[in-house]
Amino acid sequence: DIQLTQSPSFLSASLGDRVTITCRPSQGISSYLSWYQQKPGKAPKLLIYTASTLQSGVPSRFSGSGSGAEFTLTISSLQPEDFATYYCQQHYTYPITFGQGTRLEIK
Amino acid sequence: EVQLVESGGALVQPGGSLRLSCAASGYTFSDHYMDWVRQAPGKGLEWVGRIRNKANSYTTEYAASVKGRLTISRDDSKNSIYLQMNSLKTEDAAVYYCTRVRDSSWSGSYSDYWGQGTLVAVSS
Repeated sequence: DIQLTQSPSFLSASLGDRVTITCRPSQGISSYLSWYQQKPGKAPKLLIYTASTLQSGVPSRFSGSGSGAEFTLTISSLQPEDFATYYCQQHYTYPITFGQGTRLEIK
Repeated sequence: EVQLVESGGALVQPGGSLRLSCAASGYTFSDHYMDWVRQAPGKGLEWVGRIRNKANSYTTEYAASVKGRLTISRDDSKNSIYLQMNSLKTEDAAVYYCTRVRDSSWSGSYSDYWGQGTLVAVSS
């Protein structure tokens, strides 16, 4: 199985900060990586697919990049509604797998 | 508007069975693959399995942790998918989400819409 390692697992940041979350796969996954945002008690929401394509309706302060060994999710200027848990997911092969999550909290 | 609504979650004893349902609307259901994803209390997301569309013979894929015990099916006439859960274990306790898969290619093999989830508790 492909393991996805997210870092950091926990991130404390302030409104307006620029933050980056990293996802490293245990083997190559081309660009078949997606990012999701989950708020407490809610279903995950798709943010980014195929590493860098912004899902319709998602604010442009979110961006994704990377390929091969490392992928990143960047939020350019944190807004109050961005404090949540973020997951990466590989859709390169079965079983589909998720990273362990990065919890983003207000400093 | 795409909507996915899960139902059927309940408290069940270890070794018991349960059937979850997911009703879809707002798109051409029969065109899309569908996934189940679960989340144990306070834990991360775990992919459970997938069912393909009619064009791909309704074939399925499963995570190793559930293979042989959980079975995904679909009824395109009812715009619904199902998760039959047998021989339930305490570690199967989770919120179960159904999701729509964007398309049948690997580049589109991600979940673009999620239901609100249904809670399965496994305890004696």
